[in-house]
Amino acid sequence: DAGVTQSPTHLIKTRGQHVTLRCSPISGHKSVSWYQQVLGQGPQFIFQYYEKEERGRGNFPDRFSARQFPNYSSELNVNALLLGDSALYLCASSLVTDSYTEAFFGQGTRLTVV
Amino acid sequence: AQTVTQSQPEMSVQEAETVTLSCTYDTSESDYYLFWYKQPPSRQMILVIRQEAYKQQNATENRFSVNFQKAAKSFSLKISDSQLGDAAMYFCAYRSVHAGGTSYGKLTFGQGTILTVHP
Repeated sequence: DAGVTQSPTHLIKTRGQHVTLRCSPISGHKSVSWYQQVLGQGPQFIFQYYEKEERGRGNFPDRFSARQFPNYSSELNVNALLLGDSALYLCASSLVTDSYTEAFFGQGTRLTVV
Repeated sequence: AQTVTQSQPEMSVQEAETVTLSCTYDTSESDYYLFWYKQPPSRQMILVIRQEAYKQQNATENRFSVNFQKAAKSFSLKISDSQLGDAAMYFCAYRSVHAGGTSYGKLTFGQGTILTVHP
């Protein structure tokens, strides 16, 4: 079975542009979460979606938005990119939203804003 | 809000030896889960071990075990018989049992510890 897949793997954008990152969860998983990992730091929670509804939101500006589709894949959108948005963006999927359920991570999208 | 602190930015160990990675956390909750994740250079986070706070028994997974001290809010990871493949960044993480509102589903991570394994 395929794991969590994210696309693209690397991306370079210019300050002020918009970016869309994509995530396909493991088959059967209904929950998708997004994390931002700045170089040398631990991941920071951005969003969680379950059954196409936003269930959790971290402390990120409104420039960050996401959605989940009927097939449970997800997109993370970032508007008006800043240099500080340069980071590894990780997607994690889980079967349900139970706190003990293992979250499976993708390999991430490395975003560089210049 | 919960915080997770890993005070060892880097650790090293000889192959076949034992190493312990430290983690402390701050919370006012009594029920929660704790996790150790491994992030190799491939960037994919892999779950190593998890612990339910209501369980006094320390979790073990093959060569990996934890020392969970709830009163001290400490959650260390011990790796026995270290292997070259254990080299990675290790993250300690916290998740609430009864998280609601905007914290629903949130994993709170520490800053990470880079583990180097010497042959």
